[in-house]
Amino acid sequence: AQSVTQLGSHVSVSEGALVLLRCNYSSSVPPYLFWYVQYPNQGLQLLLKYTSAATLVKGINGFEAEFKKSETSFHLTKPSAHMSDAAEYFCAVSGPGNQFYFGTGTSLTVIP
Amino acid sequence: DADVTQTPRNRITKTGKRIMLECSQTKGHDRMYWYRQDPGLGLRLIYYSFDVKDINKGEISDGYSVSRQAQAKFSLSLESAIPNQTALYFCATSDPDRTLGDTQYFGPGTRLTVL
Repeated sequence: AQSVTQLGSHVSVSEGALVLLRCNYSSSVPPYLFWYVQYPNQGLQLLLKYTSAATLVKGINGFEAEFKKSETSFHLTKPSAHMSDAAEYFCAVSGPGNQFYFGTGTSLTVIP
Repeated sequence: DADVTQTPRNRITKTGKRIMLECSQTKGHDRMYWYRQDPGLGLRLIYYSFDVKDINKGEISDGYSVSRQAQAKFSLSLESAIPNQTALYFCATSDPDRTLGDTQYFGPGTRLTVL
Protein backbone atom coordinates (compact mmCIF):
# COMPACT_ATOMS: atom_id res chain seq x y z
CA ALA A 1 0.00 0.00 0.00
CA GLN A 2 1.09 3.54 -0.66
CA SER A 3 0.68 6.58 1.56
CA VAL A 4 2.41 9.81 2.48
CA THR A 5 2.50 11.76 5.70
CA GLN A 6 3.20 15.47 5.79
CA LEU A 7 4.39 16.71 9.16
CA GLY A 8 3.10 20.16 9.98
CA SER A 9 -0.08 21.46 8.43
CA HIS A 10 1.18 25.04 8.74
CA VAL A 11 4.73 26.33 8.39
CA SER A 12 5.80 29.96 8.72
CA VAL A 13 9.18 31.29 7.65
CA SER A 14 10.67 34.72 7.27
CA GLU A 15 11.45 36.03 3.83
CA GLY A 16 14.97 34.91 2.94
CA ALA A 17 14.97 32.02 5.40
CA LEU A 18 15.25 28.33 4.62
CA VAL A 19 12.05 26.52 3.68
CA LEU A 20 11.74 22.90 4.86
CA LEU A 21 8.54 20.97 4.29
CA ARG A 22 8.51 17.38 5.50
CA CYS A 23 7.13 14.31 3.78
CA ASN A 24 7.47 10.66 4.74
CA TYR A 25 6.20 7.88 2.53
CA SER A 26 5.11 4.30 2.76
CA SER A 27 5.22 2.17 -0.34
CA SER A 28 5.13 -1.53 -1.10
CA VAL A 29 6.96 -0.93 -4.37
CA PRO A 30 9.84 1.37 -5.32
CA PRO A 31 8.18 4.73 -4.93
CA TYR A 32 7.59 7.49 -7.39
CA LEU A 33 7.22 10.67 -5.35
CA PHE A 34 5.93 14.11 -6.21
CA TRP A 35 5.61 17.57 -4.77
CA TYR A 36 2.79 19.77 -6.01
CA VAL A 37 2.06 23.40 -5.16
CA GLN A 38 -1.35 25.03 -5.03
CA TYR A 39 -1.55 28.81 -5.15
CA PRO A 40 -4.74 30.46 -3.89
CA ASN A 41 -7.74 29.78 -6.12
CA GLN A 42 -5.72 27.65 -8.50
CA GLY A 43 -5.23 23.99 -9.33
CA LEU A 44 -2.20 21.91 -8.44
CA GLN A 45 1.05 22.48 -10.27
CA LEU A 46 3.95 20.03 -10.35
CA LEU A 47 7.04 21.26 -8.50
CA LEU A 48 9.21 18.20 -8.91
CA LYS A 49 9.17 14.42 -8.99
CA TYR A 50 11.42 11.53 -8.07
CA THR A 51 11.48 8.53 -10.40
CA SER A 52 14.48 6.53 -9.12
CA ALA A 53 17.16 8.45 -10.98
CA ALA A 54 19.13 11.00 -8.94
CA THR A 55 18.18 11.13 -5.26
CA LEU A 56 18.42 14.94 -5.22
CA VAL A 57 15.70 16.31 -7.43
CA LYS A 58 15.57 19.92 -8.55
CA GLY A 59 12.29 21.50 -9.39
CA ILE A 60 10.86 24.82 -10.42
CA ASN A 61 11.17 28.10 -8.54
CA GLY A 62 14.36 27.03 -6.72
CA PHE A 63 12.83 24.10 -4.86
CA GLU A 64 14.53 20.76 -4.46
CA ALA A 65 13.86 17.52 -2.63
CA GLU A 66 16.06 14.66 -1.53
CA PHE A 67 14.93 11.04 -1.58
CA LYS A 68 16.25 9.17 1.46
CA LYS A 69 15.31 5.52 1.37
CA SER A 70 16.70 4.78 4.83
CA GLU A 71 14.46 7.46 6.34
CA THR A 72 11.55 6.91 3.91
CA SER A 73 11.54 10.66 3.44
CA PHE A 74 11.22 13.12 0.58
CA HIS A 75 11.49 16.54 2.21
CA LEU A 76 11.11 19.71 0.15
CA THR A 77 13.55 22.57 0.62
CA LYS A 78 14.35 26.00 -0.71
CA PRO A 79 17.37 27.96 0.54
CA SER A 80 15.71 31.36 0.61
CA ALA A 81 11.97 31.92 0.88
CA HIS A 82 10.27 34.50 -1.26
CA MET A 83 6.89 36.08 -0.66
CA SER A 84 5.60 34.41 -3.81
CA ASP A 85 6.25 30.98 -2.27
CA ALA A 86 3.24 31.35 0.02
CA ALA A 87 0.96 28.50 -1.00
CA GLU A 88 -0.25 25.01 -0.08
CA TYR A 89 2.19 22.19 -0.79
CA PHE A 90 1.25 18.56 -1.30
CA CYS A 91 3.44 15.50 -1.30
CA ALA A 92 2.15 12.49 -3.26
CA VAL A 93 3.18 8.93 -4.06
CA SER A 94 2.19 7.04 -7.19
CA GLY A 95 0.59 3.64 -6.81
CA PRO A 96 -0.64 0.88 -9.14
CA GLY A 97 -2.42 2.19 -12.19
CA ASN A 98 -0.84 5.57 -11.54
CA GLN A 99 -3.25 6.35 -8.72
CA PHE A 100 -1.89 9.16 -6.61
CA TYR A 101 -2.02 9.17 -2.83
CA PHE A 102 -1.74 12.69 -1.50
CA GLY A 103 -0.67 13.97 1.85
CA THR A 104 -2.91 16.33 3.77
CA GLY A 105 -0.94 19.36 2.67
CA THR A 106 1.26 21.99 4.30
CA SER A 107 0.32 25.64 4.16
CA LEU A 108 3.42 27.84 3.85
CA THR A 109 3.30 31.42 5.10
CA VAL A 110 6.17 33.77 4.32
CA ILE A 111 6.61 36.65 6.74
CA PRO A 112 8.07 39.86 5.34
CA ASP B 1 -5.12 28.07 -23.47
CA ALA B 2 -5.42 25.76 -20.49
CA ASP B 3 -4.82 22.06 -21.14
CA VAL B 4 -7.37 20.90 -18.57
CA THR B 5 -10.54 22.93 -18.12
CA GLN B 6 -13.38 22.53 -15.68
CA THR B 7 -16.89 23.95 -15.75
CA PRO B 8 -18.41 25.50 -13.80
CA ARG B 9 -15.71 27.08 -11.64
CA ASN B 10 -18.16 27.79 -8.85
CA ARG B 11 -21.57 26.35 -8.09
CA ILE B 12 -24.03 26.76 -5.26
CA THR B 13 -26.88 24.29 -5.10
CA LYS B 14 -29.44 22.89 -2.71
CA THR B 15 -29.69 19.53 -1.00
CA GLY B 16 -31.26 16.90 -3.24
CA LYS B 17 -30.41 18.57 -6.54
CA ARG B 18 -28.56 16.75 -9.32
CA ILE B 19 -25.29 18.39 -10.28
CA MET B 20 -22.85 17.70 -13.09
CA LEU B 21 -19.27 18.91 -13.15
CA GLU B 22 -17.49 18.77 -16.47
CA CYS B 23 -13.86 18.33 -17.40
CA SER B 24 -12.24 18.67 -20.80
CA GLN B 25 -8.60 18.20 -21.80
CA THR B 26 -6.51 18.91 -24.85
CA LYS B 27 -3.43 16.96 -23.74
CA GLY B 28 -4.41 13.82 -25.61
CA HIS B 29 -4.20 11.72 -22.44
CA ASP B 30 -6.26 8.58 -22.07
CA ARG B 31 -6.29 8.64 -18.27
CA MET B 32 -8.51 11.01 -16.35
CA TYR B 33 -9.29 11.39 -12.66
CA TRP B 34 -11.70 13.17 -10.33
CA TYR B 35 -10.61 14.27 -6.85
CA ARG B 36 -12.18 16.24 -4.06
CA GLN B 37 -10.21 18.47 -1.74
CA ASP B 38 -11.28 19.19 1.81
CA PRO B 39 -9.36 21.30 4.33
CA GLY B 40 -7.00 19.14 6.35
CA LEU B 41 -7.70 16.03 4.28
CA GLY B 42 -5.71 16.71 1.14
CA LEU B 43 -7.01 15.30 -2.14
CA ARG B 44 -9.00 12.10 -2.28
CA LEU B 45 -9.72 10.12 -5.43
CA ILE B 46 -13.38 9.74 -6.41
CA TYR B 47 -13.22 7.98 -9.81
CA TYR B 48 -10.69 7.38 -12.52
CA SER B 49 -10.82 6.27 -16.12
CA PHE B 50 -8.06 4.67 -18.18
CA ASP B 51 -9.95 5.02 -21.45
CA VAL B 52 -13.47 5.60 -22.72
CA LYS B 53 -14.58 2.08 -21.84
CA ASP B 54 -12.79 1.82 -18.51
CA ILE B 55 -14.19 3.41 -15.34
CA ASN B 56 -12.96 2.65 -11.84
CA LYS B 57 -14.05 3.64 -8.37
CA GLY B 58 -11.63 5.48 -6.19
CA GLU B 59 -11.38 5.90 -2.46
CA ILE B 60 -14.64 7.83 -1.97
CA SER B 61 -17.03 7.03 -4.84
CA ASP B 62 -20.26 6.73 -2.82
CA GLY B 63 -22.77 9.40 -3.83
CA TYR B 64 -20.97 10.12 -7.11
CA SER B 65 -21.11 8.81 -10.66
CA VAL B 66 -19.07 9.56 -13.76
CA SER B 67 -19.36 9.50 -17.51
CA ARG B 68 -16.52 9.34 -20.03
CA GLN B 69 -18.14 10.79 -23.12
CA ALA B 70 -14.96 10.87 -25.17
CA GLN B 71 -11.22 10.69 -24.67
CA ALA B 72 -11.20 14.40 -23.90
CA LYS B 73 -14.26 14.61 -21.64
CA PHE B 74 -14.92 13.20 -18.18
CA SER B 75 -17.96 14.32 -16.18
CA LEU B 76 -18.70 13.90 -12.50
CA SER B 77 -22.31 13.78 -11.28
CA LEU B 78 -23.85 14.10 -7.87
CA GLU B 79 -27.23 12.44 -8.26
CA SER B 80 -28.68 13.95 -5.09
CA ALA B 81 -26.34 16.48 -3.54
CA ILE B 82 -25.88 16.64 0.22
CA PRO B 83 -24.10 19.28 2.33
CA ASN B 84 -21.07 17.10 3.11
CA GLN B 85 -20.30 17.06 -0.60
CA THR B 86 -19.38 20.72 -0.30
CA ALA B 87 -15.76 20.75 -1.43
CA LEU B 88 -13.28 21.77 -4.10
CA TYR B 89 -13.30 19.28 -6.99
CA PHE B 90 -10.38 18.71 -9.30
CA CYS B 91 -10.06 16.89 -12.58
CA ALA B 92 -6.66 15.54 -13.63
CA THR B 93 -5.14 13.70 -16.56
CA SER B 94 -2.04 11.57 -17.07
CA ASP B 95 -0.11 10.08 -19.95
CA PRO B 96 -1.46 6.79 -21.34
CA ASP B 97 1.89 5.08 -21.63
CA ARG B 98 2.85 4.91 -18.00
CA THR B 99 1.35 2.76 -15.30
CA LEU B 100 3.39 4.22 -12.49
CA GLY B 101 5.09 7.45 -11.75
CA ASP B 102 3.69 9.62 -14.46
CA THR B 103 2.80 13.21 -13.77
CA GLN B 104 -0.82 14.13 -13.29
CA TYR B 105 -1.99 17.45 -14.71
CA PHE B 106 -4.74 19.26 -12.87
CA GLY B 107 -7.56 21.53 -13.88
CA PRO B 108 -8.28 24.78 -12.00
CA GLY B 109 -10.97 23.21 -9.80
CA THR B 110 -14.69 23.62 -9.22
CA ARG B 111 -15.85 24.98 -5.89
CA LEU B 112 -19.17 23.34 -5.03
CA THR B 113 -21.37 24.44 -2.15
CA VAL B 114 -24.40 22.38 -1.18
CA LEU B 115 -26.85 24.21 1.07
